[in-house]
Amino acid sequence: AQTVTQSQPEMSVQEAETVTLSCTYDTSESNYYLFWYKQPPSRQMILVIRQEAYKQQNATENRFSVNFQKAAKSFSLKISDSQLGDTAMYFCAFMKHVSSGGSNYKLTFGKGTLLTVNP
Amino acid sequence: SQTIHQWPATLVQPVGSPLSLECTVEGTSNPNLYWYRQAAGRGLQLLFYSVGIGQISSEVPQNLSASRPQDRQFILSSKKLLLSDSGFYLCAWKAIGNTIYFGEGSWLTVV
Repeated sequence: AQTVTQSQPEMSVQEAETVTLSCTYDTSESNYYLFWYKQPPSRQMILVIRQEAYKQQNATENRFSVNFQKAAKSFSLKISDSQLGDTAMYFCAFMKHVSSGGSNYKLTFGKGTLLTVNP
Repeated sequence: SQTIHQWPATLVQPVGSPLSLECTVEGTSNPNLYWYRQAAGRGLQLLFYSVGIGQISSEVPQNLSASRPQDRQFILSSKKLLLSDSGFYLCAWKAIGNTIYFGEGSWLTVV
């Protein structure tokens, strides 16, 4: 079974600074997808960034970027120029295809990292 | 554009009462649909997924069941709620490009 590990239960950063959230995963698959989701106090689960395992180039979305190390099975999230609105729980997630002949994919989550951005 | 709606947003139910949470996706056809639960604390646990009408797969044995009566409708049910069923329930769907998007969530408190 796939597992996703986020080793930092909580982190804090000063506004305008950069912070990196760690994530490692365990799989024997070669094709899969990795995601970071953000869950603010409203509890809505919001997609932050997405990475396809077959792509070597790291994904970037504005102030958010990832460092994808496939061999090391590591997928960290870097948030640049942190803003107060970035305060949230961040979840790393792994997705793979689970059944032949169909189109089903399963998403497995880590336990999350609570990020607090301080003014 | 595709959207996902989930309701009710909040409900308080007594132990032993039934449950029905509904999720509807708009703007797409034959999506993969998912129910997740987030208990007090953190991580999300996959409860059920569906690849088509009437096709339900259960991830964990429990007091809950799911049904998909229509292509874009996914329902989470229970005949008799337990205290341990309390939590935050999220419906989700898989979009083209293999990205999963979530609904607004439903808070269930069993008292």
